[in-house]
Amino acid sequence: NAGVTQTPKFHILKIGQSMTLQCTQDMNHNYMYWYRQDPGMGLKLIYYSVGAGITDKGEVPNGYNVSRSTTEDFPLRLELAAPSQTSVYFCASSYSVQGNQPQHFGDGTRLSIL
Amino acid sequence: AQTVTQSQPEMSVQEAETVTLSCTYDTSENNYYLFWYKQPPSRQMILVIRQEAYKQQNATENRFSVNFQKAAKSFSLKISDSQLGDTAMYFCAFMKRTGNQFYFGTGTSLTVIP
Repeated sequence: NAGVTQTPKFHILKIGQSMTLQCTQDMNHNYMYWYRQDPGMGLKLIYYSVGAGITDKGEVPNGYNVSRSTTEDFPLRLELAAPSQTSVYFCASSYSVQGNQPQHFGDGTRLSIL
Repeated sequence: AQTVTQSQPEMSVQEAETVTLSCTYDTSENNYYLFWYKQPPSRQMILVIRQEAYKQQNATENRFSVNFQKAAKSFSLKISDSQLGDTAMYFCAFMKRTGNQFYFGTGTSLTVIP
C-alpha cells in the first residue's frame, strides 16, 4: 500500500520564489494535515482539512496556502519563500479526527530556502 | 494552551536493557489522548503507543509500555529489551479528545548501544 506520498523529497528554493509541495493518500481518509518540523523541535501544524473543499489554519499558517479539491490530494503552497521556512514538511492523513484513529505520515519533504 | 515537555534531549541504553523516556504536559482539558511517536533516521513518523486519558490502565504494546500519571500530568515511555532498531527520535504528543491537532514535545534522541 502506498499510504501517504509526498513529493519532492528534497528541494532547494531561492528567497522570493514560490513552490507547491504535493501530498496524496490512497486510503480514502477525510482528514489531512500539513506539519513542519524545525531542527530539534517537534512537529507543528500548518493547515488541515476535514474533507474536500474544506481547509482550516493550524498553529503556524503564515506564509502558506492549501487547497483540497479532491479527497486524495492536499497540496501545500509557499508564496514568496523566506529563509524561516527552511524546514522538513510532513503530510499526514487520518480516517477521523478522533485520537483513537492514528495519523499516517508521509516520509517528509526537506526544503531549504537560500 | 497545551504544552508538552520532554526534558531529556538525548539518552542511550545498552542493547537488551530497559530505558524510560520522560514526558510531562500541561492542559486544562479532562479528556484527551497521549501518544509516543518514533522517528528513525528515515524521518518517517511511526506511532509507538497511545493512551486515552479516561483509562486508568497503562497502555502496553509488546516491549513498549507507558506510566501514565494523570494527576501529575506525566506520561513516560518504557522500552524493555532494547534493540538496535529502537535507535530513533521519540516524540511525546498530546491531542484533545475533540481536537484536530497534535501538540508535540521537542523529542528525545535515543541511541541503543550494541
